[in-house]
Amino acid sequence: DQQVKQNSPSLSVQEGRISILNCDYTNSMFDYFLWYKKYPAEGPTFLISISSIKDKNEDGRFTVFLNKSAKHLSLHIVPSQPGDSAVYFCAASVGGNTGKLIFGQGTTLQVKP
Amino acid sequence: IAGITQAPTSQILAAGRRMTLRCTQDMRHNAMYWYRQDLGLGLRLIHYSNTAGTTGKGEVPDGYSVSRANTDDFPLTLASAVPSQTSVYFCASSPFGGNQPQHFGDGTRLSIL
Repeated sequence: DQQVKQNSPSLSVQEGRISILNCDYTNSMFDYFLWYKKYPAEGPTFLISISSIKDKNEDGRFTVFLNKSAKHLSLHIVPSQPGDSAVYFCAASVGGNTGKLIFGQGTTLQVKP
Repeated sequence: IAGITQAPTSQILAAGRRMTLRCTQDMRHNAMYWYRQDLGLGLRLIHYSNTAGTTGKGEVPDGYSVSRANTDDFPLTLASAVPSQTSVYFCASSPFGGNQPQHFGDGTRLSIL
């Protein structure tokens, strides 16, 4: 049972345009969400996070939106750059003090010059 | 450079053999984690440790064991490797357990034949 789902395995956008990556979850107890970026042969790198008490968090070109009623979050990258080409994972925390994260399957983003 | 070091970077192992994946961090983080990444499944938590001397089970703990004798090291052991344990293994850490980003190593690619 996949509690965190990224239904789009891949996304291709033109440089300078907006990239929107989506993530759905099923567990209403999740209270903290994160996005990670991963290049080949490297570990995931933390990008941005959002607490369930917020509906938006912004950091430079990256904005995460959270819609709790729809159990949906999205990552917007504006403007997209070729260096953004990577696999993006969303993750959710079950809360408490364990730090356990549940990851989605990942979406491969390709930004074309 | 501070961070997480994983060893080996890759390994081919015969089924039935014992294998220990090493993970060392120099950030003095209290919490450490082991994940496996498989195509189409994202990253799944195997075991975690919130502080030296304590460990806990993640989503997919069967066939794996961990120990946390000190703050810096968190080895993962496969007592008797099976082909289904072929995967890329990532170690991660965070200052404490709970809702905060985890920092990842670059992974160990393990193939069980």
